[in-house]
Amino acid sequence: AQSVTQLGSHVSVSEGALVLLRCNYSSSVPPYLFWYVQYPNQGLQLLLKYTSAATLVKGINGFEAEFKKSETSFHLTKPSAHMSDAAEYFCAVSDPGSGNQFYFGTGTSLTVIP
Amino acid sequence: NAGVTQTPKFQVLKTGQSMTLQCAQDMNHNSMYWYRQDPGMGLRLIYYSASEGTTDKGEVPNGYNVSRLNKREFSLRLESAAPSQTSVYFCASTLSLVGQETQYFGPGTRLLVL
Repeated sequence: AQSVTQLGSHVSVSEGALVLLRCNYSSSVPPYLFWYVQYPNQGLQLLLKYTSAATLVKGINGFEAEFKKSETSFHLTKPSAHMSDAAEYFCAVSDPGSGNQFYFGTGTSLTVIP
Repeated sequence: NAGVTQTPKFQVLKTGQSMTLQCAQDMNHNSMYWYRQDPGMGLRLIYYSASEGTTDKGEVPNGYNVSRLNKREFSLRLESAAPSQTSVYFCASTLSLVGQETQYFGPGTRLLVL
C-alpha cells in the first residue's frame, strides 16, 4: 500500500532563505511522486512530478525535488523564498495499478517572513 | 479550455438535506475523482471513476454516492447531509496513461452542514 508522510505541518522561512519541505513515501511498486501547491481558497496546482526519469526534477516557480530511493524521500526545495511562495504544499504518490489513485500527505503550510 | 469546473462554489445545508455536487472536465480525461479536504488531514479520496461507466470507493465513501454521467461529468451526491460532511470538496481528473498520470483539480466546493 502507498502512503506519504510530510514532516512538519508548518514551516516558516525568511524571505530569501532556503525552502525545504520534507516528504517520505512508502510504496510497494516504483512510485510516481508529485508536489502540489494550494493557495488560499483555490484548488491544487501541480508544482512538479517524478515519473522514473531524472531523479532531480525541476518544477514551476523555481522549485525542485530530488527522488532518493534509498531514503524513500522526495523533498521539495527552493534556493530563495519569495513572499508569493506562502501556501500549502502537498506531496502525493500515485498508484497506477488502482485507477491511478493518489495518496496525499497531510500538507505543509509555508509561511514566508519579510 | 476551462479544465476542471465545479458547481456550486459554496453551499450551506441543514442536517438531513440532500444535494449534488457537479464536476465537469473538458480535457478528454479518462479518470475522475472526488476528494474531501479537512484541516490537518490532507485530501482523502471519496470515490473515483477509472473510466466511463465505472466507479469505485475510495478511502471515505460512507454517506456519499457518485454518478459518472458521461466521459466529461462526474457528480457527487449527499443523500442526507451530516455536520461531519462539512468540508471542502475537490474534483480531479487525469488521462491515466503512462506518462500522463498528473491529476488536475477543480477550484473546490465549500460545504457547510448545520
